[in-house]
Amino acid sequence: DQQVKQNSPSLSVQEGRISILNCDYTNSMFDYFLWYKKYPAEGPTFLISISSIKDKNEDGRFTVFLNKSAKHLSLHIVPSQPGDSAVYFCAAVPIGNTPLVFGKGTRLSVIA
Amino acid sequence: DVKVTQSSRYLVKRTGEKVFLECVQDMDHENMFWYRQDPGLGLRLIYFSYDVKMKEKGDIPEGYSVSREKKERFSLILESASTNQTSMYLCASRLSGGGTEAFFGQGTRLTVV
Repeated sequence: DQQVKQNSPSLSVQEGRISILNCDYTNSMFDYFLWYKKYPAEGPTFLISISSIKDKNEDGRFTVFLNKSAKHLSLHIVPSQPGDSAVYFCAAVPIGNTPLVFGKGTRLSVIA
Repeated sequence: DVKVTQSSRYLVKRTGEKVFLECVQDMDHENMFWYRQDPGLGLRLIYFSYDVKMKEKGDIPEGYSVSREKKERFSLILESASTNQTSMYLCASRLSGGGTEAFFGQGTRLTVV
C-alpha cells in the first residue's frame, strides 16, 4: 500500500510562471517531509524539507506547504525556470530510524 | 559536503553473471540504502543497513544480496543477473535518527543483456 502518493506523473509549466507539485500521504507518524530533484542519469539531490510541526518552509524560489489535517504537502516553484525541468520526488521520514518513503515522482517540464 | 560515490556510472552485463555494485560514503553515516529507479515506479528500496554487518530487506529484495563489512562501504550483489534487473541503481546514506535527509550517489545505469 502506497504511503506517499504523487498523483500527477507529469506537469508542464511556462517559464516564469508558478509550478505546483503535490504529494499526499496516509501515515500520521511521519516526522519530516522532503523534496528531491532528479535529472536523468544522475542521483536525486535534496531540495527542501519541512518538519511535521510547521506548515511552511521557504528557500529562495522554493516553498513547501504542509497541511496536516489533509495529509497533503505541496512544492511551489516561483518563478519557474527551464533548469527546473526534472523529476521531483516527495519523501516522508518516519519517526525513528527507518528508511525514507518515496512517492513515484512528478516530471516537471518548464517550457521557454 | 557529503559524498556518496558509486563505482560505475554505466554497466553492461550478461544474463546469469554475478554483478557487484559498490558504494562508498565519506561522512561516517550509520545508515546506507540501495534503491532502484524505474519509469513510473519511482524509487524502490532493495536493501538497507543500519550498521556494519547489519542488513535489512527492503520492498524488493528478491534476486539481490548486500554486504557491509566496513561502515563507509555498502555493496549490492546481483547473484545471477536477469534482464528484468536492468535499471538505474541508486545508493544513499543518512545519519541515524529522524529528521535528516538521505544523500544519494550519482547512480549506476545497469543493462543486462
